[in-house]
Amino acid sequence: KAGVTQTPRYLIKTRGQQVTLSCSPISGHRSVSWYQQTPGQGLQFLFEYFSETQRNKGNFPGRFSGRQFSNSRSEMNVSTLELGDSALYLCASSRVGQGDTQYFGPGTRLTVL
Amino acid sequence: GESVGLHLPTLSVQEGDNSIINCAYSNSASDYFIWYKQESGKGPQFIIDIRSNMDKRQGQRVTVLLNKTVKHLSLQIAATQPGDSAVYFCAENSNYQLIWGAGTKLIIKP
Repeated sequence: KAGVTQTPRYLIKTRGQQVTLSCSPISGHRSVSWYQQTPGQGLQFLFEYFSETQRNKGNFPGRFSGRQFSNSRSEMNVSTLELGDSALYLCASSRVGQGDTQYFGPGTRLTVL
Repeated sequence: GESVGLHLPTLSVQEGDNSIINCAYSNSASDYFIWYKQESGKGPQFIIDIRSNMDKRQGQRVTVLLNKTVKHLSLQIAATQPGDSAVYFCAENSNYQLIWGAGTKLIIKP
């Protein structure tokens, strides 16, 4: 069974731009969660989508948004990029949600200049 | 607020020795705990989990211990190998959301 895939793997943007990251979950998984990971920090939860609906949300500003499609694929968008948004963005899928074992993709490394 | 924390940010272990990585959690109502391993350049990888109705669970070379009395979780790795070098995260399920610890970096000395 194929694992979680994320595209692109690396991205360089400048301040003020916006970016869209994509995640394809494991087949059959309906929950997709997004995390931000910065050097020296743990994983900071962004949001979780289940059946095309945002079910949980972390403590991030409205510049961070996401969506999920009917095939469970998910995208997250960051608008008006700031230098502090430079991070590894991880996507995780699970069958039923946050309380279930999550399987992570390799992440997208975003650098904001 | 709810939090999961790790006692040691870095742990150095001799190859072949056993490693013990500790984690404290604050929500006594948490019912599910997971350990993940993250190697450089990769996403976290599931290692082992444990539910709150258990106090010990064993996998291949790994054991997780749960002490609900003191809200403590530990991961034991037997006969540590170079491939065990990584950052290890604990996470607790609290109100259907995973709360993550900051991570412990495990360094293997040859």
